[in-house]
Amino acid sequence: DVKVTQSSRYLVKRTGEKVFLECVQDMDHENMFWYRQDPGLGLRLIYFSYDVKMKEKGDIPEGYSVSREKKERFSLILESASTNQTSMYLCASSLYPGRDPGKLNTEAFFGQGTRLTVV
Amino acid sequence: KNEVEQSPQNLTAQEGEFITINCSYSVGISALHWLQQHPGGGIVSLFMLSSGKKKHGRLIATINIQEKHSSLHITASHPRDSAVYICAVEGADGLTFGKGTHLIIQP
Repeated sequence: DVKVTQSSRYLVKRTGEKVFLECVQDMDHENMFWYRQDPGLGLRLIYFSYDVKMKEKGDIPEGYSVSREKKERFSLILESASTNQTSMYLCASSLYPGRDPGKLNTEAFFGQGTRLTVV
Repeated sequence: KNEVEQSPQNLTAQEGEFITINCSYSVGISALHWLQQHPGGGIVSLFMLSSGKKKHGRLIATINIQEKHSSLHITASHPRDSAVYICAVEGADGLTFGKGTHLIIQP
């Protein structure tokens, strides 16, 4: 069974702490994504990565950084957590579209989410 | 744990047709999301619902809390609507996702 695993389901951190959210996938996917989800705002893309050591900013990268040292792992880093980063964080992965031309769409697989509270 | 069922799994339609995608869940929720995923994997959040109905352009989403059911409708469908549509529910144990509906709109 394919899996995208996020390291924590619930996390409580203090303002100013450095926070690491880890995401691991076992499907050999090239693409990995970090989203945050807030009431009334839906899911918003923070960063994505299309290969090892490659990253692209999404819609709301401010206050975040990412690391992709290995293909299966994509880490989201909050350098100095703030209360406005209290949110649900969702990791996803998908196959690079050119790898399987028989597929019209490249289905994305999601982690279960990490509910981060910054106090 | 919530179980989320989407139907149909795959849908091919002609341009201009009215499209309906359904989502049912088993346990009470605080919110339901409809997501759209285009080729390349990027995901867009279309709607977040906790009750009633929302409309955005040609897209309409409804939810019936008592029946634990939501529908996504697309009016006057267009080939650019071709995507995977995913229902996700938010409950006590976080987000639970449906498996998605592959929609292809042919010109």
